[in-house]
Amino acid sequence: GNSVTQMEGPVTLSEEAFLTINCTYTATGYPSLFWYVQYPGEGLQLLLKATKADDKGSNKGFEATYRKETTSFHLEKGSVQVSDSAVYFCALRTTQGGSEKLVFGKGTKLTVNP
Amino acid sequence: DTEVTQTPKHLVMGMTNKKSLKCEQHMGHRAMYWYKQKAKKPPELMFVYSYEKLSINESVPSRFSPECPNSSLLNLHLHALQPEDSALYLCASSQVERQPQHFGDGTRLSIL
Repeated sequence: GNSVTQMEGPVTLSEEAFLTINCTYTATGYPSLFWYVQYPGEGLQLLLKATKADDKGSNKGFEATYRKETTSFHLEKGSVQVSDSAVYFCALRTTQGGSEKLVFGKGTKLTVNP
Repeated sequence: DTEVTQTPKHLVMGMTNKKSLKCEQHMGHRAMYWYKQKAKKPPELMFVYSYEKLSINESVPSRFSPECPNSSLLNLHLHALQPEDSALYLCASSQVERQPQHFGDGTRLSIL
């Protein structure tokens, strides 16, 4: 079946540190991949996406590259800020009964200290 | 600001009450979703509506009853809930195919 595995954390970094959150997936075919971010007390916000192999999604300094050969979509940021503290979810999109659905990883909580 | 609006933001209800959650979007999206999220867990899909028709029900108990009156509105009717149903309920919408889902900020539900 389709599944997403991401490092569970929590991850604690100092401001301006480099961030990597690992995400690997299992799926048939070539699903679209996403990173969503959830700030405290809020819903999920789309951070970035990639729809095919070797695509690089990027937004707000975050990047992730769709690697078919390693079935991975690792999230990176060169210099984190306190405001990046949140929970990050990796997800893939799959189809069921003619409709699309998201399969999420368990989430990684990031805390950035000043 | 989110483009998917959910009301109410917080709801406390007894196990015998009947209440409804509301979700609204005006982005012209034709797919709408209900998710349940427990603390420190990822969202779990409950229902998917596509063109106002229920297309996915993830074996959700009948005490949760979804309704899609039109393409902009999605309701979740609640009746005889259990304490374990306390959670954040998230609504999302998307174009029907190959577009990202947009989430609301959720309704935090507490069952007494």
